[in-house]
Amino acid sequence: AQTVTQSQPEMSVQEAETVTLSCTYDTSESDYYLFWYKQPPSRQMILVIRQEAYKQQNATENRFSVNFQKAAKSFSLKISDSQLGDAAMYFCAYTGANSKLTFGKGITLSVRP
Amino acid sequence: NAGVTQTPKFQVLKTGQSMTLQCAQDMNHEYMSWYRQDPGMGLRLIHYSVGAGITDQGEVPNGYNVSRSTTEDFPLRLLSAAPSQTSVYFCASSYSGLAGQNTGELFFGEGSRLTVL
Repeated sequence: AQTVTQSQPEMSVQEAETVTLSCTYDTSESDYYLFWYKQPPSRQMILVIRQEAYKQQNATENRFSVNFQKAAKSFSLKISDSQLGDAAMYFCAYTGANSKLTFGKGITLSVRP
Repeated sequence: NAGVTQTPKFQVLKTGQSMTLQCAQDMNHEYMSWYRQDPGMGLRLIHYSVGAGITDQGEVPNGYNVSRSTTEDFPLRLLSAAPSQTSVYFCASSYSGLAGQNTGELFFGEGSRLTVL
C-alpha cells in the first residue's frame, strides 16, 4: 500500500521569507501523481500544486514550487515570499493506478508578520 | 456553480443512532470519495467510487456504508454511531474513474462536523 509521510507537524516562517515543507512517499508504482493541498481555517480544501511522476520538470504555480525527487520518493513544497494568507494546514497527497488519493497527516504553517 | 454539496454541516448523535451524510456533485465527476479528518491523523479515506454502481473500501471503512446509484450522489451511512466516529467528514470528487487514474483536482465539499455522544 502507498504511504505518504509528513514528519514535521508544524513550521513557522517570517512574512516575505521562503519556507519548504517536506513530504516523502512510498510506492512500487512508476506512474502516479502527487499533490499539495492547503486547508485554511475555513476548512475548505484547496489544491495548491500537482506533479505528474513521468515529468522530470518540477511543477510551479506562482509563488509555489515543488522539488520532486522520484528516486528518493521526495516531494517538497517551497513557498516563496510568504504571505499572511499562506497560514494554513498543508497536506501532501498521492494517487496511483487504483485512483485512491492518500494523504499525509499534514503540517501546520504559521506566518509571522 | 454548486460544486460538491454536503449536508448536514453539523450533526449531534447519540451512541447507537444511525444517520446518512449526503453528498452531491453537479460536475459529472466519475470519482467520488469520503474522508474523515481527525487531529493529528490527516485525512483518511473511508470509501470511494470510480463510477455509478461501483464502490470500494478505503483505509477506515468499518462502521460505514456507501452506495452509488447515480453519478451525482454518494451518501455515507453510519449504521450504529459510536463516539470514535466523532470527526469532520469530507466528500470529494474528481474526473477520471473508469477511464483511468485519478489525475485531476479533487473538489471537496465544505465538510460535515459530526459529534457522537
